[in-house]
Amino acid sequence: ETGVTQSPTHLIKTRGQQVTLRCSSQSGHNTVSWYQQALGQGPQFIFQYYREEENGRGNFPPRFSGLQFPNYSSELNVNALELDDSALYLCASSGQGVDTQYFGPGTRLTVL
Amino acid sequence: AQSVTQLDSQVPVFEEAPVELRCNYSSSVSVYLFWYVQYPNQGLQLLLKYLSGSTLVKGINGFEAEFNKSQTSFHLRKPSVHISDTAEYFCAVTLTKAAGNKLTFGGGTRVLVKP
Repeated sequence: ETGVTQSPTHLIKTRGQQVTLRCSSQSGHNTVSWYQQALGQGPQFIFQYYREEENGRGNFPPRFSGLQFPNYSSELNVNALELDDSALYLCASSGQGVDTQYFGPGTRLTVL
Repeated sequence: AQSVTQLDSQVPVFEEAPVELRCNYSSSVSVYLFWYVQYPNQGLQLLLKYLSGSTLVKGINGFEAEFNKSQTSFHLRKPSVHISDTAEYFCAVTLTKAAGNKLTFGGGTRVLVKP
């Protein structure tokens, strides 16, 4: 186990709704990254937060947004959900001097 | 920009047989390489990584990988697989040693170990 937790495990939403996914980083880690893994594909980088600031973003529209809190936990928010947003959302934490990202178990989002 | 190609989408293999999963990357600068495993309905677990030094890297569960800079490859091998190795395997690259940089993943290779 990596010590990275995510909630909820599964989520079902309808098109146009908004969703918030949560991630609790491994103790001592101050960086969190979010990835989207569509069915049958590799994970794709959404964005990263370091010390509560966005620190890099992949090719995702602005309706994907995030927050990182002082305790380094994090949220991923997606507005105006589309069918193609159905995927496994993974968060990964890392810390200063650490050369590896540690992944949580993911949240599976289904958009109907 | 860097990219990763995993040449085999599925690899069926018999128990106790060897397996090799191929990974090639494209980058104009030096990269750092990782292999992750994903068991059904789970997140990603690190198998091994290449940051520098010896090009032969040993990881967990008997896996090893060899970094070949001239061929821009980082193939993963295991000499004898078990049923429990049935999973999806992802090769990934990043541009810096610091974990605070995005990982670019390949499309994955699904390994099915048959008795």
